[in-house]
Amino acid sequence: GAVVSQHPSWVICKSGTSVKIECRSLDFQATTMFWYRQFPKQSLMLMATSNEGSKATYEQGVEKDKFLINHASLTLSTLTVTSAHPEDSSFYICSASPLTETSTDTQYFGPGTRLTVL
Amino acid sequence: AQRVTQPEKLLSVFKGAPVELKCNYSYSGSPELFWYVQYSRQRLQLLLRHISRESIKGFTADLNKGETSFHLKKPFAQEEDSAMYYCALRSGGGADGLTFGKGTHLIIQP
Repeated sequence: GAVVSQHPSWVICKSGTSVKIECRSLDFQATTMFWYRQFPKQSLMLMATSNEGSKATYEQGVEKDKFLINHASLTLSTLTVTSAHPEDSSFYICSASPLTETSTDTQYFGPGTRLTVL
Repeated sequence: AQRVTQPEKLLSVFKGAPVELKCNYSYSGSPELFWYVQYSRQRLQLLLRHISRESIKGFTADLNKGETSFHLKKPFAQEEDSAMYYCALRSGGGADGLTFGKGTHLIIQP
């Protein structure tokens, strides 16, 4: 089956530093990847849609300068949390849709990355 | 704006009993509805979607546009069904992200 990986699985950083999270589709190509955020005991909230070779589309209320997204290839999207603050501490999850004729509408989720900002 | 509501944070039933996880949505167009499941220490995975009209692991869900609902049902619960269940809506095609409900934690008691 389609597998999506994320790296790192958890990260602790100091306030003011930047953190990069990678999302990879291991056995398929994905023109579209999605980034979600999940606070404790809450649901996943879509942050942005990442399209290979073009700028990401951010949801209302998500700062594009704060959460930089790069989708440089069909198998890799990165999310960089710039100048992280404690309120950015959360669980970040990515998903990817395979580039196939029959399953372009299926999203496969990564395991998530736990970010803690001290 | 679209919204997905799962009224129950926690649902506990005994093994062999019927299960119904409620999901209501708010969307002005024709949505696509999904149920995702997350077992303990595992990633989110697709359980079923309304366009497929299939039964997965004994679960079914019917889209009721009149009631704007997409409840998940299983006639006889099994212990391995214990997990977190999320109802999700997508407004467009594969290029659109998902709007999730807050999830229901299903516990099947032996």
